[in-house]
Amino acid sequence: GAGVSQSPSNKVTEKGKDVELRCDPISGHTALYWYRQSLGQGLEFLIYFQGNSAPDKSGLPSDRFSAERTGGSVSTLTIQRTQQEDSAVYLCASSLAGGFGNTIYFGEGSWLTVV
Amino acid sequence: AQKITQTQPGMFVQEKEAVTLDCTYDTSDPSYGLFWYKQPSSGEMIFLIYQGSYDQQNATEGRYSLNFQKARKSANLVISASQLGDSAMYFCAMASYQAGTALIFGKGTTLSVSS
Repeated sequence: GAGVSQSPSNKVTEKGKDVELRCDPISGHTALYWYRQSLGQGLEFLIYFQGNSAPDKSGLPSDRFSAERTGGSVSTLTIQRTQQEDSAVYLCASSLAGGFGNTIYFGEGSWLTVV
Repeated sequence: AQKITQTQPGMFVQEKEAVTLDCTYDTSDPSYGLFWYKQPSSGEMIFLIYQGSYDQQNATEGRYSLNFQKARKSANLVISASQLGDSAMYFCAMASYQAGTALIFGKGTTLSVSS
């Protein structure tokens, strides 16, 4: 597709269950980001992948959160043992390359509700 | 420390009027980029406009322009001739070498356009 694609668009899960969120970046984009947005709040950086370099995991809030990027393209964000405070929109983004001069394009997000 | 401040939680404007959304930033890094994103109720983050710290002229993209005042560390978004479809949340964001790979976002301003 032409844009960043995320799935599922909506996910309701029970507390304590694991969830996986998928992101397919824009073709040719080497940089991929995950952000979290809680209701009515700004965006919180989670993790960044650039090519084959080690990811920047500095924004992950706890060890229940992890992410992978296979083959330099699709990424999966996994949240283990979900808690109610994990309820948020998880936004994936990509850019042509890393570095601050490159525009970052976002997907429509995955809305996660933990009940 | 890197910081973005948007002091207007909500703005109201009538169709065809111009509106200015305020953004101030804080960084000691001489190299940085400033971005504005629009987030409609659907949740997607839509890139609007970019200004580099070394750019001599203010950025413009159609009805959007960025009023960049470097000495005052402000990067206000000006929307000319507002349309009903402009109703959304607007985020100012900054990227810099000091911030590493992540865009830092402000808390956003909700713009409501009425007929």
